[in-house]
Parts: sequence; C-alpha cells; structure tokens
Amino acid sequence: GQNIDQPTEMTATEGAIVQINCTYQTSGFNGLFWYQQHAGEAPTFLSYNVLDGLEEKGRFSSFLSRSKGYSYLLLKELQMKDSASYLCALMDSNYQLIWGAGTKLIIKP
Amino acid sequence: GAVVSQHPSRVICKSGTSVKIECRSLDFQATTMFWYRQFPKQSLMLMATSNEGSKATYEQGVEKDKFLINHASLTLSTLTVTSAHPEDSSFYICSARGGLAGGGPQETQYFGPGTRLLVL
Repeated sequence: GQNIDQPTEMTATEGAIVQINCTYQTSGFNGLFWYQQHAGEAPTFLSYNVLDGLEEKGRFSSFLSRSKGYSYLLLKELQMKDSASYLCALMDSNYQLIWGAGTKLIIKP
Repeated sequence: GAVVSQHPSRVICKSGTSVKIECRSLDFQATTMFWYRQFPKQSLMLMATSNEGSKATYEQGVEKDKFLINHASLTLSTLTVTSAHPEDSSFYICSARGGLAGGGPQETQYFGPGTRLLVL
C-alpha cells in the first residue's frame, strides 16, 4: 500500500526559511508533487520531482530522495502571504495522486 | 497557462433539490478530470475520476447515483449532486489533467477554484 506523512502544522517567522518534510512509502512511484492551498481556496501547483535532487523555483525549492522515500519543500524569505497549507502528493504506478493530509504553515511577523 | 474554471463558485439550495457544477479547462484539453470534496480543516477527498467519453470511476463509498458525473468533451466535466441533503454541504473542487502549459508534467492536476455548496 501507500502511505504519506507530513507534519500537521508548522510556525515560522516572516523573512525566515522553513522546510516542510514529506515521507512516503509506496510500491510504485512516478513522481512527487507539492501544492499550496490557501484557506477557502483550491490547491495550486508548486513543484514536481521525479529524479533525486533539488529543484529550485524562485523562493521555493523542492527536494527528493527516492531511496529514502523523502521529500521536502523549502520556502525562503517567508512572506505573510505564504501562510497556507502545503500538500505533498505522490503519483503512483497508475499515475494516480495519493494526497498527504497537508501541513498548515503559520507565518508570524 | 493551464487554467481551470468552475461554476458556480457558491450555491445554496433546499434539501431534496439537485445541483449541477461545471468544470472547464480553458486553455488545454483535459484527458482526465477529477472531482474532490473537502470538509473544513480536512484533507482533499477524491470522489471520482472521469475520462472524456467514458463512465466515471468512483472511489469507494461514493454513491454514483447520487453524484452524477458527465465528461462530455475534452474541456468540460459536470458533477450533479442529486437530491442534496445538508450532509452534502461541502467544498467541491475539480481538477483537470493533460496540459503542459502550467509548467508541470502532463500528469499534473490543475484545480478549479472550487464550489461551496450549502444545503439547507
């Protein structure tokens, strides 16, 4: 079966850096997605990793280690608007997304 | 790129009535569309997957006769909540897959803005 774990909630300070971890177990793997979801809104696509390593996209970076079943989303220079839930989603061997429960990130001034 | 619209954004209806929600991919053809439901402070729950021109595949526990899905074209899918009851009140979100314009791989799901349903 598949399993995805990410912390329920994290708090960080405006201007700082925060790393949101996601660990997973799966028999089939076709990539890992990160989405951002603001309260009351639908998720928006942030990043996709299928190979090991770091993908940088502006203030956001995503890392994957397939051998460890581990990914993280790194947010730099935090802004108040980054307060949101961050969803980790695994794409399985059937190209279906298995969603994590999401990490609620609270940014404090 | 990879814009998905959803209509209506908010609907209030009486118990026993039916509500239709439309999901459109505006700038790409969606081979597959998905319907999710999300209750407050809970995670996304996949209801069904639909491919253009074929019957939707429903997740376990989702009543196909209550939640009718029609994927009539590569840019339009509809979800009809039949005989709605207060417990159906939720945030319904569609997503579409098949576009490269959004920056992700073809398998990336792009979400509509969601429909908030309140059944009185």
